[in-house]
Amino acid sequence: GAGVSQTPSNKVTEKGKYVELRCDPISGHTALYWYRQSLGQGPEFLIYFQGTGAADDSGLPNDRFFAVRPEGSVSTLKIQRTERGDSAVYLCASSPGGNEQFFGPGTRLTVL
Amino acid sequence: SQQGEEDPQALSIQEGENATMNCSYKTSINNLQWYRQNSGRGLVHLILIRSNEREKHSGRLRVTLDTSKKSSSLLITASRAADTASYFCATDRGGGAQKLVFGQGTRLTINP
Repeated sequence: GAGVSQTPSNKVTEKGKYVELRCDPISGHTALYWYRQSLGQGPEFLIYFQGTGAADDSGLPNDRFFAVRPEGSVSTLKIQRTERGDSAVYLCASSPGGNEQFFGPGTRLTVL
Repeated sequence: SQQGEEDPQALSIQEGENATMNCSYKTSINNLQWYRQNSGRGLVHLILIRSNEREKHSGRLRVTLDTSKKSSSLLITASRAADTASYFCATDRGGGAQKLVFGQGTRLTINP
């Protein structure tokens, strides 16, 4: 079956611009997670959805970051007024509710 | 913030040898998981060990957990060139969210 997919795979933008990153989870998975991974580091938790609602957004670094999952499936991570420090790989994972999380290939965001 | 700390940060061995990676963490956990990442992109779940377990095996993988020392080790036996990747431990503190806290990873290189 299809795994978690993320689009785009790469995104280059200019400082100050708005970007949207999309995640398509595995069908039927109720839980969805966003992580951010900087070069040479492990992934860092951003936000967790259970169904349509954000159950834990404690990892979002500031109010420029926002994520939605309006129908409990696809999720979009939105970043306003991008900064160079936002450059990273953004990873999405989904889970059927157990402990294992299934990761997508990530979106590499570069802010010039 | 990163809870897990992997040791060593980088490991290079010959094909056929065993590779051991260690992970330490700071807070109490519900379970600890190991993931593999190739080329800085999507992570693949390898094995999960619960806080009440001390050792677990899966194929060529052996994981140990010492909750008194807050540490875990991953052993890969009879290494292959295809095992070349970065390996991360991730802890789940429980409480329902199951958000993972990753370490910085060990970069493993298997030389043919």
